[in-house]
Order: sequence, then structure tokens, then C-alpha cells
Amino acid sequence: GDSVTQMEGPVTLSEEAFLTINCTYTATGYPSLFWYVQYPGEGLQLLLKATKADDKGSNKGFEATYRKETTSFHLEKGSVQVSDSAVYFCALSGGSQGNLIFGKGTKLSVKP
Amino acid sequence: GAGVSQSPSNKVTEKGKDVELRCDPISGHTALYWYRQSLGQGLEFLIYFQGNSAPDKSGLPSDRFSAERTGGSVSTLTIQRTQQEDSAVYLCASSLETGARGDSPLHFGNGTRLTVT
Repeated sequence: GDSVTQMEGPVTLSEEAFLTINCTYTATGYPSLFWYVQYPGEGLQLLLKATKADDKGSNKGFEATYRKETTSFHLEKGSVQVSDSAVYFCALSGGSQGNLIFGKGTKLSVKP
Repeated sequence: GAGVSQSPSNKVTEKGKDVELRCDPISGHTALYWYRQSLGQGLEFLIYFQGNSAPDKSGLPSDRFSAERTGGSVSTLTIQRTQQEDSAVYLCASSLETGARGDSPLHFGNGTRLTVT
């Protein structure tokens, strides 16, 4: 079945460091790909998405490119801030009716 | 406007008891999802409702779990004869359209933290 694998955390970075969180997927067909973020004490919210191969999703300085050839959707940010500390979830639209399938999440801690 | 509302925010129950978790989706959202978030396990899909269609129950872990959605709005997730392994955060989400392929993202509630003692 469809699945998402993302790098295990926690990831600890200093402010202004470069961030990469790896995400790869297995899917039949052509799913849409998403990154969701869960800030401390808050519900999950959509960070960015890409709906077809070679699309780049971007938001709040974060970017991810839908790579069909490597079945990947890695999340990147050039300079992280303390406020980026959160849990990040990679997801794809799959399942029998297009429900979201999530990875296990990667906790990011950014130190000042 | 109001987001997805879940109640209670915390629930502690004894093993063997039944519990009901409630979700009020965003008004007008036709799709409603339940997920379970366990420590280190990510989000586990449980069940999906879309309009008046039969729900996708493929993620329910056992027949102790059931869910209904009345009038296409409020949903209740029921866990019968709770077990310690049911302890988790139960998340509800809603979206404006079918599935997650379009431009409508899932809007999540803050979840219900269930602890079975």
C-alpha cells in the first residue's frame, strides 16, 4: 500500500542553520504531496503542497520539490529560526478515497 | 471563523470502560477524518466521511472502534472496552472537498488526549 517515510528526529539546529528533512514515498498512481507542521500546543496545519511532478511548494521560507524519479519530497529552509521549532509531517494523498497518509513526523528544535 | 473543535481535550478512563470523542468540523466542510497520534508512531488513519457516502472504515484497528457522523456535521468516535494501547491523541480534521487532492487542505482540531489506566 501507499506509505511515507521521513527521517527520524529529533533534529537540533542553531538559528540561521540550513534545514533538510528527508521524505520519500511509495504510491500507486500520482499522489499529491504535502508537508504539515504542528507547533507546540497547536493543531496540525498545512505548510506546503505539490500536486504533480517537478512542482515546488513553498511557504514561510520552506520549500519542497516533488521528485517523481526519486519518489522524494524533501523539506528545506535556508535559515531556520527559533520559531520554526515544531514537528513536521510529510504526507501523500492516497488510500482508497484519497485520504492523507502521514509519515511519523520529525521534531525540529532550533536553538538561539 | 471557528476551526475544528474537539471535546473533551483530555480524557482519562479505566480499562474496560467505553469512551466517546466528539468532533465539530468547520461549517460547510463535507469531508471529515479521524486520525490517531501515538508517541513515535505518526498519524494513523482511522476513518473518513465524505458527504452522504458510506464511510471509509479501513483504518479502524478493531471492532471496538466505531464512528458516526450525524447530519453530515458533528462526528463521534466511540471506543468500547478501552485497552491501555488505545492511549493516544485522537485528531479530527475536516476539508472542503472530496479527498485531499485539490486546493482544500485538511484543517485539524487540537485533538483529544486519551489515557487508559
